[in-house]
Formats: sequence, C-alpha cells, structure tokens
Amino acid sequence: AQSVTQPDIHITVSEGASLELRCNYSYGATPYLFWYVQSPGQGLQLLLKYFSGDTLVQGIKGFEAEFKRSQSSFNLRKPSVHWSDAAEYFCAVAFSGGYNKLIFGAGTRLAVHP
Amino acid sequence: GAGVSQSPRYKVAKRGQDVALRCDPISGHVSLFWYQQALGQGPEFLTYFQNEAQLDKSGLPSDRFFAERPEGSVSTLKIQRTQQEDSAVYLCASSPGQRNSPLHFGNGTRLTVT
Repeated sequence: AQSVTQPDIHITVSEGASLELRCNYSYGATPYLFWYVQSPGQGLQLLLKYFSGDTLVQGIKGFEAEFKRSQSSFNLRKPSVHWSDAAEYFCAVAFSGGYNKLIFGAGTRLAVHP
Repeated sequence: GAGVSQSPRYKVAKRGQDVALRCDPISGHVSLFWYQQALGQGPEFLTYFQNEAQLDKSGLPSDRFFAERPEGSVSTLKIQRTQQEDSAVYLCASSPGQRNSPLHFGNGTRLTVT
C-alpha cells in the first residue's frame, strides 16, 4: 500500500538558519510528489510539486525539494528561514496514473526562533 | 478569483445529530475531493467526484457518511448520527481535472461533536 512518512513531528530552527524537512514514500512506481503548507486555521497551500524531469524542483516562498528515487525521498529545503515560515508542512504522494488522489504524511510542525 | 469556499467554518453538534457541510469549488473545476483531518494528523482521503459522478468513496469511514454533488458544482458532505470520533476538520479541494493539475484547498470546516 502507498504511504508517506515524515519522520520529524516537530522541528525548531532559528531565523536565518537553513531548513530541511524529510519525506519518504512507499510506492511501486514513480509517484507524483507534493509539498503543502498549512498555517493555523487555514487550508493547504501548494509549495511545489514533482511529476517528472529535473529532480530538483523550485517552489514558492524560496522553497525547493529534491526527488531521490534510490532513497524514495522528497525532502524540502530552504536556505534561510523567515519567522513567517512557521507552520505545518505536509508531504503528499499521488498515483501517477490516477486522478491526483493525494495521500498525506502526518506533517512536520516548524517553529522559528527569532 | 474566488477560491474554494467551505461553510460553515465551525460546527458544534451534539452526539447523534446529523450535520451537513458545504463546499463551493472553484468555478469550472471538474474534480472535487473531501478530506478529513484529525487533530495533529495529515488529511485523509474521504471521497472523489468527477463532475457529478462519485468515482471513489473508498475513504468514507462508515455508512453514516454520505457525499453528493448533484449538479457537478457545489458538494455536500453529510454525517448522520454524529459520534465523538467524527470531530475533525473537513477539507474540500478542487482541481481542473487534468492529471498534473494541483488541488486547491478550502479553509475547512471544523466539526466538534460533544
């Protein structure tokens, strides 16, 4: 069965520090991969997505993610975190042959210290 | 340029009551999804519509949950005889329907069953 694992439930970084959020997936073929961000009381906003091609994808708000097939990973990175990045981050996978039915990880809550 | 709209924003129901949650997708979006997000968890798929057809309801947790989209636009998620374990945020998402089109999420309805 398809699944998504986000090993870190909670991460705290200092403002200006670099960030990497981990995501691993279990799926028999190359999936579509997504990162979403959710601020308190809000819906999910798409940060970036990977369907095919270049394995390093750029997203909004200065985020990027790298697809590594050998590690079944799609880690999210940002070189310098801003206080406004504090939120919950969700990695998600969709069937490559389906209708973008997303399976989400449990999320990583990011706190940013001034 | 309205996004996905959900109402009510908050709903408190006594155990055993029926509730109806509404989703107005982005105009013209063919695909519509419902997700359930329990506290501290990632969203979990409930059901999927393509226009008015409900093509996947594999995520509905019990026969107390029912969703419809009779004219291929607005959708309603109905929960009969609510239980405490139904307390969650219910998210609606829509997309134009192409395979690589991302989902646009509403802000959700927070249901609390007392």
